[in-house]
Amino acid sequence: AQKITQTQPGMFVQEKEAVTLDCTYDTSDQSYGLFWYKQPSSGEMIFLIYQGSYDEQNATEGRYSLNFQKARKSANLVISASQLGDSAMYFCAMTVYNQGGKLIFGQGTELSVKP
Amino acid sequence: SAVISQKPSRDICQRGTSLTIQCQVDSQVTMMFWYRQQPGQSLTLIATANQGSEATYESGFVIDKFPISRPNLTFSTLTVSNMSPEDSSIYLCSVGTLSEQYFGPGTRLTVT
Repeated sequence: AQKITQTQPGMFVQEKEAVTLDCTYDTSDQSYGLFWYKQPSSGEMIFLIYQGSYDEQNATEGRYSLNFQKARKSANLVISASQLGDSAMYFCAMTVYNQGGKLIFGQGTELSVKP
Repeated sequence: SAVISQKPSRDICQRGTSLTIQCQVDSQVTMMFWYRQQPGQSLTLIATANQGSEATYESGFVIDKFPISRPNLTFSTLTVSNMSPEDSSIYLCSVGTLSEQYFGPGTRLTVT
């Protein structure tokens, strides 16, 4: 069975600083993908970044980067130059390729950006 | 990326009634998923709906409670039947491939 663990229920960061949100995963499959989503108070799920298990380079999307350490089974999200609008819930999720694309989510981390 | 719409965006329903949630995508997609997010919780997959086949339900979810239709490659519905206050949640549909998955805006359901 697959599992995603986010151990930080809440995080604070000062505006303009970088922050790392932790995510570890557990799977015995070799082919999988890792996602990060942002959920503001409105409830929508905003796709941020994706990393495939065979990707050799860490994924980056603007201010978001994914620190993928396959041997440690971790997929931490790094947000650079935090903005007030980054305050939200952040979810790490995984899909295993032989299970049709369904996502398994972690419990989430609530990020608060201080001015 | 796909543009996904859901109707209704929110509703308040009486216990014992049913609500049907619609999910519309702006392009044809093979895989469509329905998730539930209970208050203060993470997302849990209810079922996978592929066009032309019966929906596949996850453990803890049954067709009698959450019937799903998938009449074509751009549309699906989820019905929450015989509702109780425990069904108060955000219901989200998502579409995509193994490397891209996008969510609709969600339906915020309150059962009184």
